[in-house]
Amino acid sequence: AQTVTQSQPEMSVQEAETVTLSCTYDTSESDYYLFWYKQPPSRQMILVIRQEAYKQQNATENRFSVNFQKAAKSFSLKISDSQLGDAAMYFCAYRTMYSGGGADGLTFGKGTHLIIQP
Amino acid sequence: KAGVTQTPRYLIKTRGQQVTLSCSPISGHRSVSWYQQTPGQGLQFLFEYFSETQRNKGNFPGRFSGRQFSNSRSEMNVSTLELGDSALYLCASSLRGGWLFGPGTRLTVL
Repeated sequence: AQTVTQSQPEMSVQEAETVTLSCTYDTSESDYYLFWYKQPPSRQMILVIRQEAYKQQNATENRFSVNFQKAAKSFSLKISDSQLGDAAMYFCAYRTMYSGGGADGLTFGKGTHLIIQP
Repeated sequence: KAGVTQTPRYLIKTRGQQVTLSCSPISGHRSVSWYQQTPGQGLQFLFEYFSETQRNKGNFPGRFSGRQFSNSRSEMNVSTLELGDSALYLCASSLRGGWLFGPGTRLTVL
């Protein structure tokens, strides 16, 4: 079974600075998706960024970028120019690219609580 | 395009009752999956549907069931509710691998 580990239960950063959230995963598969989701106090789960494992280029979405290291099974999220609205729980998630048979779906880490200090 | 919608948003039930939650995916999305979120266990996968067929199921007892209709709308049912079923239930839909979530249904079991 796949596992996702987020080793930082909580992170704090000053507004306008850069922060990196860590995520490692364990899988024996070669084709899969990796995701970062943001969950603010409203509890709405928001997709921040997605990475396909077969793509070597790191995904970026405006101020959000990832560092995907397939061999190391590492998938960190970098948030540049942090804003107060970035404060939330951040979840790293894994999903096999091929579904059917067995307990697939998204496998989530425990989350990192990101605090933005003004 | 409207996002994933879930109804009801909040629900209070008593032990032993049953409950049905509804999820309407984004238009054109045929895959729907359900998750349970609790402070202790985090986010856990319940089941996934594609074109009215259950494709995958997580490690939950048989009291948890679901279905998907021809219009891709999905329902999940929990029978004989237990206190431990109190949770946020999240539904997500996908078209090509990008899973987008609804606002969730907060279920409280008394």
